[in-house]
Amino acid sequence: AQSVAQPEDQVNVAEGNPLTVKCTYSVSGNPYLFWYVQYPNRGLQFLLKYITGDNLVKGSYGFEAEFNKSQTSFHLKKPSALVSDSALYFCAVKSAGNMLTFGGGTRLMVKP
Amino acid sequence: DVKVTQSSRYLVKRTGEKVFLECVQDMDHENMFWYRQDPGLGLRLIYFSYDVKMKEKGDIPEGYSVSREKKERFSLILESASTNQTSMYLCASSPVGGTEAFFGQGTRLTVV
Repeated sequence: AQSVAQPEDQVNVAEGNPLTVKCTYSVSGNPYLFWYVQYPNRGLQFLLKYITGDNLVKGSYGFEAEFNKSQTSFHLKKPSALVSDSALYFCAVKSAGNMLTFGGGTRLMVKP
Repeated sequence: DVKVTQSSRYLVKRTGEKVFLECVQDMDHENMFWYRQDPGLGLRLIYFSYDVKMKEKGDIPEGYSVSREKKERFSLILESASTNQTSMYLCASSPVGGTEAFFGQGTRLTVV
C-alpha cells in the first residue's frame, strides 16, 4: 500500500522569507510524486510533479520541490514567500496504476 | 485547458435523501475519480472508474455508489444521505498512463 505523510498541519512564514512544506512517502516501486494547492472553496490545482530525472523539480508560481530517494521525501520549497501563497497544500504519490494517494494537507500562512 | 465541471458548488440535503453529485470532463480522459475531503484527513478516494461502466472501490466506498454510462460523465450517489457524509466532494480525471489528475471545483455537501 502507498501512503503520504505531511507532518505539519500548518506552516507560518513571513513574506519574503523562504518556505518549506514537508512531505514523506511510502510506495513500492518507483514513485510519481505531486504537489497540489487549494485556495478557499476551490478544487485542487496542480503545482508540479516528479516522474524521473533531475531531483529538483520546478513548477508553477515559483515553487520547486526536491526529491530525495534515500529519505523518501519530496519537500516543497519557494525562495521568497508571498502573502498570496497562503493556501492549503497537498502532497500525493502514485506508483503503478492510476490511483493518487494524498497526504493530510498543510496550511501555509504567509504574513506581511 | 482540461476542464472538470461539478454540477453544484453547494448542496444542502436532508438525512435519508438520495443524493446525486455529477461530474463532467471535456478531455476524453479514461480515468475518473471521486474523492472526499475532510479537515486533517486530506483527500480519501471513494470510487474510481477506468472506463465506461467500469468502477472500482477506493478507500471509503461505504454508503456510496457510482455510475458511468458515458465516458465524460461520472456520478456519485449517496443512497441514503447521513450527517456523517457532510463533506467537500472532489471529482478528478486523468488519461490512461497519464501522470497528474485534473480536479473540479468541488461540491460542498451539507446533510441536515
